[in-house]
Amino acid sequence: EVQLVQSGAEVKKPGESLKILCKASGYGFSTYWIGWVRQIPGKGLEWMGVIYPSDSDTRYSPSFQDQVTISADRSINTAYLQWSSLRASDTAVYYCARRGAIGSSTSFDYWGPGTPVTVSS
Amino acid sequence: QSALTQPASVSGSPGQSITISCTGTSSDVGGYNYISWYQQHPGKAPKLIIYDVNNRPSGLSDRFSGSKSGYTASLTISGLQAEDEADYYCDSFTTSNTHVFGSGTKVTVL
Repeated sequence: EVQLVQSGAEVKKPGESLKILCKASGYGFSTYWIGWVRQIPGKGLEWMGVIYPSDSDTRYSPSFQDQVTISADRSINTAYLQWSSLRASDTAVYYCARRGAIGSSTSFDYWGPGTPVTVSS
Repeated sequence: QSALTQPASVSGSPGQSITISCTGTSSDVGGYNYISWYQQHPGKAPKLIIYDVNNRPSGLSDRFSGSKSGYTASLTISGLQAEDEADYYCDSFTTSNTHVFGSGTKVTVL
């Protein structure tokens, strides 16, 4: 059974760093893209970027390029999303999702439960 | 990379059919037949309901169907049921192996 388990809720102060994780199980982690999606409270989904764990090829939305870093550790089937300096506007729920195993392999077929991140002084 | 354009809300009575549009550009919706749709209930993670414009994942109700014409993709829900009340988002594959989501549509069952 495919599962994506995400780290728990975080409360941080502006300027602090943060790294949240998405641990995959039940499939070959290295050979499927993993994406990250932001959802600000009461707002829509925003696509942030994807990583291919096999070779760490990473693609970012222009809106998030240079704002966050996406990485992966194949040895422990885990993808990461990190910030070096958080802002209040980063307050949101962050979802990870696996891309592709059906059709053209461009849809996100399994999603994690989300990690709420609150940034407040 | 602007969000794809969806109506903010659509409503219908039980049993009726509704259609949600998703309009983009030649760089996304108009350029690829890689359109997905997701359903999201409050407080829950999104769920894939349509992939590659008009395909349903295994086990999903055939009341959901998708189509595309030019720069606009559409999701139709037929035989509307109370459980269909949720937010719906389109997603298009774009150049450079990236994606863009739609602005989201709230479906209300009257």
